[in-house]
Amino acid sequence: DGGITQSPKYLFRKEGQNVTLSCEQNLNHDAMYWYRQDPGQGLRLIYYSQIVNDFQKGDIAEGYSVSREKKESFPLTVTSAQKNPTAFYLCASGAGWGVGTQYFGPGTRLLVL
Amino acid sequence: AQKVTQAQTEISVVEKEDVTLDCVYETRDTTYYLFWYKQPPSGELVFLIRRNSFDEQNEISGRYSWNFQKSTSSFNFTITASQVVDSAVYFCALRLNRDDKIIFGKGTRLHILP
Repeated sequence: DGGITQSPKYLFRKEGQNVTLSCEQNLNHDAMYWYRQDPGQGLRLIYYSQIVNDFQKGDIAEGYSVSREKKESFPLTVTSAQKNPTAFYLCASGAGWGVGTQYFGPGTRLLVL
Repeated sequence: AQKVTQAQTEISVVEKEDVTLDCVYETRDTTYYLFWYKQPPSGELVFLIRRNSFDEQNEISGRYSWNFQKSTSSFNFTITASQVVDSAVYFCALRLNRDDKIIFGKGTRLHILP
């Protein structure tokens, strides 16, 4: 089945710890995206990547880092510099420029212990 | 600046009623795309429709229909004969043709009561 997978479904972070959220897609999409969703708010863009080995900051990149070493994978690291990491994180992929539609994974809920 | 406004934070209707979710957008660009996504309780965003700025034809898909009016910068979504399974948060979104980013509204939480 083609689609986007995210793991884990739930993730717990201790104070001062870095954690990595996984996102994999087999849709052969060039572009991938990370969003953060807080209660009562829409989605806010953290980072996005239009091509392998390249990525750009979104609107709320501080305290996060990403890599794009493979077309299929776009992991997100929530660093200890992110002071309020509790949120629902959604990964998306799309064909990129000029096409527009983004398709989303099931999400990872991050909680701070 | 670009913006998407979904003024209805939460709506409750009884099953089988029709319901319309409002979406108003702001942009000075002439080429753009509009979207609706559904987020059921499971959390995953499900793509429903994409409309480009040059196509003002209304669209119907089963019980779902969309009304795009450039004159009022609106892209409203109607569910006819609502069902309990339609209960979800619905997001309207805007993407400019010159940009790779999608701007989301804050969503409308829809409750369909049995």
